[in-house]
Amino acid sequence: AQSVAQPEDQVNVAEGNPLTVKCTYSVSGNPYLFWYVQYPNRGLQFLLKYITGDNLVKGSYGFEAEFNKSQTSFHLKKPSALVSDSALYFCAVRDLNDYKLSFGAGTTVTVRA
Amino acid sequence: GAGVSQSPRYKVAKRGQDVALRCDPISGHVSLFWYQQALGQGPEFLTYFQNEAQLDKSGLPSDRFFAERPEGSVSTLKIQRTQQEDSAVYLCASSLEGTRGEKLFFGSGTQLSVL
Repeated sequence: AQSVAQPEDQVNVAEGNPLTVKCTYSVSGNPYLFWYVQYPNRGLQFLLKYITGDNLVKGSYGFEAEFNKSQTSFHLKKPSALVSDSALYFCAVRDLNDYKLSFGAGTTVTVRA
Repeated sequence: GAGVSQSPRYKVAKRGQDVALRCDPISGHVSLFWYQQALGQGPEFLTYFQNEAQLDKSGLPSDRFFAERPEGSVSTLKIQRTQQEDSAVYLCASSLEGTRGEKLFFGSGTQLSVL
């Protein structure tokens, strides 16, 4: 079985400050890890993914994430947050032997001006 | 179209009514997924198609839920005898080849409200 935990329901930061959204995962084999973002009344949009290789992956809109196998974590980061980054962020995992993508409950990010 | 299209955008149904939700994936995409997203929750997997074959329907919550993709393109999710607990946003997603490392492209969803 595969699962994702996002321990924070909400993250609030000031514009220009670093942003971190936490994610831990559980899979039976090697994980495929993803981050998606959801804006109001819109579908989920892909941000980045980790499949293999370099533990630091870079994605859209200046976001990056670090894969840590020993801590089973895949935290999303942005060095300098923008007000337009305010949205709902989902971490997701897919096991090597499964088709479906399993999502966390989501973290609401609010960036104040 | 350029993206995944879902219709209707909103659906209000009376308890016991049957509903049909449509998904038009990106042209040529092999894989198609249906997810259910309850208010304040992450998407929950319902079912997966590779072309016209339904390879996984383990997430369908009951036998009232049925999905099809007869020609390997458009898909329909049907819910019979709707109940209040079926109220949710139903998301459709597609991907090009069906490999596990691929990203999914999501539609905007159908918001179902059962009264």
